[in-house]
Amino acid sequence: LAKTTQPISMDSYEGQEVNITCSHNNIATNDYITWYQQFPSQGPRFIIQGYKTKVTNEVASLFIPADRKSSTLSLPRVSLSDTAVYYCLVDQAGTALIFGKGTTLSVSS
Amino acid sequence: KAGVTQTPRYLIKTRGQQVTLSCSPISGHRSVSWYQQTPGQGLQFLFEYFSETQRNKGNFPGRFSGRQFSNSRSEMNVSTLELGDSALYLCASSKVAYEQYFGPGTRLTVT
Repeated sequence: LAKTTQPISMDSYEGQEVNITCSHNNIATNDYITWYQQFPSQGPRFIIQGYKTKVTNEVASLFIPADRKSSTLSLPRVSLSDTAVYYCLVDQAGTALIFGKGTTLSVSS
Repeated sequence: KAGVTQTPRYLIKTRGQQVTLSCSPISGHRSVSWYQQTPGQGLQFLFEYFSETQRNKGNFPGRFSGRQFSNSRSEMNVSTLELGDSALYLCASSKVAYEQYFGPGTRLTVT
């Protein structure tokens, strides 16, 4: 059973910033928050992972408030190629990743 | 660096048959995990192998089994195929547990 809740879908336009929020009210002390991206007919791709505060890499930023009950994946200036399903996972750095339904992001021109 | 490779990419089988799927992890990765993805159930964890030992197992029937070889390559086997086994089977390898690298998957169709 997935431990996270995300919006089913989101729409955006090219060039906009997209923020996808994930709720994980029952996150455990040892859990990390990880985001994956999946294109149709491909395997998921790791985007970013964090434990608290803010993490940034060349692809996205991850914001985690102090209570860690939610997190926000921020994609700056999206393009058509960012159209994909985005999964938020909480994981104790284990290997049995539990995927929820994910958020389908549709980017239009 | 080569990514995770899976063979075959597509497979059509008949109910009752068995099937073996293969996965070659990224060089240096000792952990290999398998997932099943269907439109109805989404992505579900099957099992994980590390150094030839099954370290973790999902909630799937015993018809689903796997193994890992000394070179970290892995196979999964499904016996007595059912229509509901039609799915995309994904293999992922990792060096760090939370950062898994997925292969392109094997699309299995059971008729």
